[in-house]
Amino acid sequence: EPEVTQTPSHQVTQMGQEVILRCVPISNHLYFYWYRQILGQKVEFLVSFYNNEISEKSEIFDDQFSVERPDGSNFTLKIRSTKLEDSAMYFCASSASGLYNEQFFGPGTRLTVL
Amino acid sequence: AQKITQTQPGMFVQEKEAVTLDCTYDTSDPSYGLFWYKQPSSGEMIFLIYQGSYDQQNATEGRYSLNFQKARKSANLVISASQLGDSAMYFCAMREDNNNDMRFGAGTRLTVKP
Repeated sequence: EPEVTQTPSHQVTQMGQEVILRCVPISNHLYFYWYRQILGQKVEFLVSFYNNEISEKSEIFDDQFSVERPDGSNFTLKIRSTKLEDSAMYFCASSASGLYNEQFFGPGTRLTVL
Repeated sequence: AQKITQTQPGMFVQEKEAVTLDCTYDTSDPSYGLFWYKQPSSGEMIFLIYQGSYDQQNATEGRYSLNFQKARKSANLVISASQLGDSAMYFCAMREDNNNDMRFGAGTRLTVKP
């Protein structure tokens, strides 16, 4: 069964460093998303991506964040200068289409900023 | 702005019994989708069930059913014949037709007792 994959599973970085979180969505999906979940809290939407551009972004997704689909398979989230409060689980998700399809989530990348 | 409310931070249920997890939502968009996800202690997000705002019948998926009351703006998840493996966090989420994001509630932690 196809699934969304994410690497690495855990990333530890120093405050101020750049990190890139990688995702491989399900191959025939067209919509891609990033969410984050601070430990013990709810899942928060960051950004959605369709047709090679951002279609929606939340207030969390500020200038420190960027997304890219560098090739036909990968979907990346970059945080330019990490802050302590960026420590969270980051989930990538993909869906075949928009509203009426469920989003399939990857296993997540746990980011720890020291 | 859309808003998802899950008023039960924690619920307990006896094995083999049914349990209802509450979810209310707020939207002015006539077209939207409602989703439930399960998050076990391992952290992954597992899609359970979907209900469209125009669906006439309540959604069902195996032991999961969604009690959709549109006028009350509620979309409660019913789990029948609870199993120990059902112990997890459960998140209700909504996506409006005009947006590509999906907003989550705070979650309910379900514990199934033997």
